[in-house]
Amino acid sequence: KQEVTQIPAALSVPEGENLVLNCSFTDSAIYNLQWFRQDPGKGLTSLLLIQSSQREQTSGRLNASLDKSSGRSTLYIAASQPGDSATYLCAVALIQGAQKLVFGQGTRLTINP
Amino acid sequence: DARVTQTPRHKVTEMGQEVTMRCQPILGHNTVFWYRQTMMQGLELLAYFRNRAPLDDSGMPKDRFSAEMPDATLATLKIQPSEPRDSAVYFCASGLVTYEQYFGPGTRLTVT
Repeated sequence: KQEVTQIPAALSVPEGENLVLNCSFTDSAIYNLQWFRQDPGKGLTSLLLIQSSQREQTSGRLNASLDKSSGRSTLYIAASQPGDSATYLCAVALIQGAQKLVFGQGTRLTINP
Repeated sequence: DARVTQTPRHKVTEMGQEVTMRCQPILGHNTVFWYRQTMMQGLELLAYFRNRAPLDDSGMPKDRFSAEMPDATLATLKIQPSEPRDSAVYFCASGLVTYEQYFGPGTRLTVT
């Protein structure tokens, strides 16, 4: 059974810092990995999707990497801003089961002005 | 700006009542998912459809939950009878094979 773990569960940093969020998964047989952002009381916003054949994806200040063989992904946020405060979730899409997403519990990020 | 829409956004009901949640997927997306989010369990997949056909509903309590896609523009999730433990946020998502899933804003259900 695929399990997804995100460490740390919560992170608080001062504005302007670069930071890394971690995601690990137990089964490397995945279609893709997706990073989401969730603001309190809101839905999920897709940030980046990395296909299983890719190593990384970039969007603005965000960079996500994927090491499928070791079952790890990282989300790098450069020059953090208070508006980046949210919960970040990673999810893997399973090959077995037509892309069912299995989510981690998320990292709650707070950027202090 | 294409979005997944969900109705209602909030629902408060009494135990034993029927609850129906609706989702309009993004036009052209052929896969629709229903998820439930709680503080204790996080996000869990309940059921999903491809080209309107149910592929997997193993995440749903079969005795009380049902999911359907009457047409390509509407997905429904029904709970009958509802119980307090069903209180959660229910999300619908849609997508295309191998690509991103796009989530709706969710329906916050409270069963008293």
